Amino acid sequence: DAGVTQSPTHLIKTRGQQVTLRCSPISGHKSVSWYQQVLGQGPQFIFQYYEKEERGRGNFPDRFSARQFPNYSSELNVNALLLGDSALYLCASSLDSRGVAEAFFGQGTRLTVV
Amino acid sequence: QKEVEQDPGPLSVPEGAIVSLNCTYSNSAFQYFMWYRQYSRKGPELLMYTYSSGNKEDGRFTAQVDKSSKYISLFIRDSQPSDSATYLCATNLSGSEKLVFGKGTKLTVNP
Repeated sequence: DAGVTQSPTHLIKTRGQQVTLRCSPISGHKSVSWYQQVLGQGPQFIFQYYEKEERGRGNFPDRFSARQFPNYSSELNVNALLLGDSALYLCASSLDSRGVAEAFFGQGTRLTVV
Repeated sequence: QKEVEQDPGPLSVPEGAIVSLNCTYSNSAFQYFMWYRQYSRKGPELLMYTYSSGNKEDGRFTAQVDKSSKYISLFIRDSQPSDSATYLCATNLSGSEKLVFGKGTKLTVNP
């Protein structure tokens, strides 16, 4: 069975640009969460979506937005990119919104802002 | 005070050693406690999770939670070079979507 898949794996963007990252959860999983991991730090929670509704939001500016589609895949959008947005962006899926003890992560999208 | 504190290491041990990795947390309401392994440039991989206090064993790995002291541990027996990775502890509130992670401890097991 396929795990959580994220695309693209690597991305280089210029300051001020916009980026869209994509995530496909494990088959049967309805909850998707997004995390940002800066080098040398643990992942930081950005969003959680369940059944296409936002269920949680971390302490990130409004430049960050996300959505979930009927097939439970998800997109994370970041506008007006800053150098500090350079990080590994991780998507995690879980069976439902309560099952976060068993969240499975994708390989991440490494975003570099220059 | 950070919600989850974890010594970033690095930690270097010889093959076959017993490894002890530790985290402390500040919120006594945290209920689930997870350990993830992250290889370089990869996503975190869930090793095991425990609910509330107690021990849980899975092969060479044992997770331990002491809620009275807000202390969580992961023990690795008979460590192997393939165990070389960054180990992340994480926790969350019951019913909460948000996982709170430590910084991670970088472990190297030398052959």
